[in-house]
Amino acid sequence: GAGVSQSPSNKVTEKGKDVELRCDPISGHTALYWYRQRLGQGLEFLIYFQGNSAPDKSGLPSDRFSAERTGESVSTLTIQRTQQEDSAVYLCASSLGSSAGEQYFGPGTRLTVT
Amino acid sequence: GIQVEQSPPDLILQEGANSTLRCNFSDSVNNLQWFHQNPWGQLINLFYIPSGTKQNGRLSATTVATERYSLLYISSSQTTDSGVYFCAVRSNDYKLSFGAGTTVTVRA
Repeated sequence: GAGVSQSPSNKVTEKGKDVELRCDPISGHTALYWYRQRLGQGLEFLIYFQGNSAPDKSGLPSDRFSAERTGESVSTLTIQRTQQEDSAVYLCASSLGSSAGEQYFGPGTRLTVT
Repeated sequence: GIQVEQSPPDLILQEGANSTLRCNFSDSVNNLQWFHQNPWGQLINLFYIPSGTKQNGRLSATTVATERYSLLYISSSQTTDSGVYFCAVRSNDYKLSFGAGTTVTVRA
């Protein structure tokens, strides 16, 4: 497909379990971003990748959150020991480069921690 | 960080009406995007408009970078225009900073 894809679309997990969220960016896009959207709110930045390096992790809310990216392809966001406040939609975006280019978003993963 | 304010927070329109949404930002920007978030949560790119004016069908946008605001115009609104409209800007770092959104409801 031509757009950003994410999986799973929905994830329900028990408090304390680990979860992995996946993002496939648009082919050829070197920059990749993760954002989080809590219910009824705007998006908050989590982490930015240029290639497989992460020059900006400033938005990760705690050390339970980590992310990695393989080359200029798939990225995985991992949340360890999930808490109820982690419940949100996690959105991934990609852009052609690290300059001011347009960002395109995936459909998101809705995470519910029970 | 850069502050982004959108107004109004809520807008109720009768089908066929025109409307203007506003986005104010607190610093110079090198990227400004307007998105429509549909009821399923998908963010649809409307405009990439760090400056100037663009039109796409019934939608148009204008950004006056020197005065730090952008406007999104919806003409002849349709029920499918309902949803949340977000303005997002990027200043001198990599992330987009989002406003709180304008929730638009178009009634038939």
